[in-house]
Amino acid sequence: DVKVTQSSRYLVKRTGEKVFLECVQDMDHENMFWYRQDPGLGLRLIYFSYDVKMKEKGDIPEGYSVSREKKERFSLILESASTNQTSMYLCASSRTGGYYGYTFGSGTRLTVV
Amino acid sequence: DQQVKQNSPSLSVQEGRISILNCDYTNSMFDYFLWYKKYPAEGPTFLISISSIKDKNEDGRFTVFLNKSAKHLSLHIVPSQPGDSAVYFCAASPTHTGANSKLTFGKGITLSVRP
Repeated sequence: DVKVTQSSRYLVKRTGEKVFLECVQDMDHENMFWYRQDPGLGLRLIYFSYDVKMKEKGDIPEGYSVSREKKERFSLILESASTNQTSMYLCASSRTGGYYGYTFGSGTRLTVV
Repeated sequence: DQQVKQNSPSLSVQEGRISILNCDYTNSMFDYFLWYKKYPAEGPTFLISISSIKDKNEDGRFTVFLNKSAKHLSLHIVPSQPGDSAVYFCAASPTHTGANSKLTFGKGITLSVRP
């Protein structure tokens, strides 16, 4: 069964901490994405990557960075966590070309206190 | 500027009745549309899709209708079941074959099916 795996389902971190959210996919997909979901705001794209070592900003990249050193792994980094980064974080992957949807991970509920 | 709009934030229907979830888009380059379903504390899962060469696609209880001239699509669930209670996201993709295969999502609509 193909899947996107996010390393943690729930995380609690303190303000100012550096936070790493990890995502691994086993489908050999070229594209990977990080979203956050907040009530009334839907899914907002933070960063995405089309290939290893490539990254592009999404709609709300401020306060975040990403790393893609291997095709199957895409990491989201909160450089200095703040309470307004408390959210549900969703990783997704997709194939390049043609009409393909995304496969999402189960999400990480991050609480910054 | 929101390119994919789900104007109703919530919908409540009785079990056994039809649920109709609407979605509008503004970008005429969009030609592939998807619906995702999301339960709390889980990631979205793919539900059904439609390309612009069709005006209807059916999968069991779920049917998606596309009206290109109105830039409108709708998801019909018949009959609705309590397990259908979830957030439903509409998404769209433009014509391309390159690497920029990025979906644009609506804000979602919360469907509640009353027993």
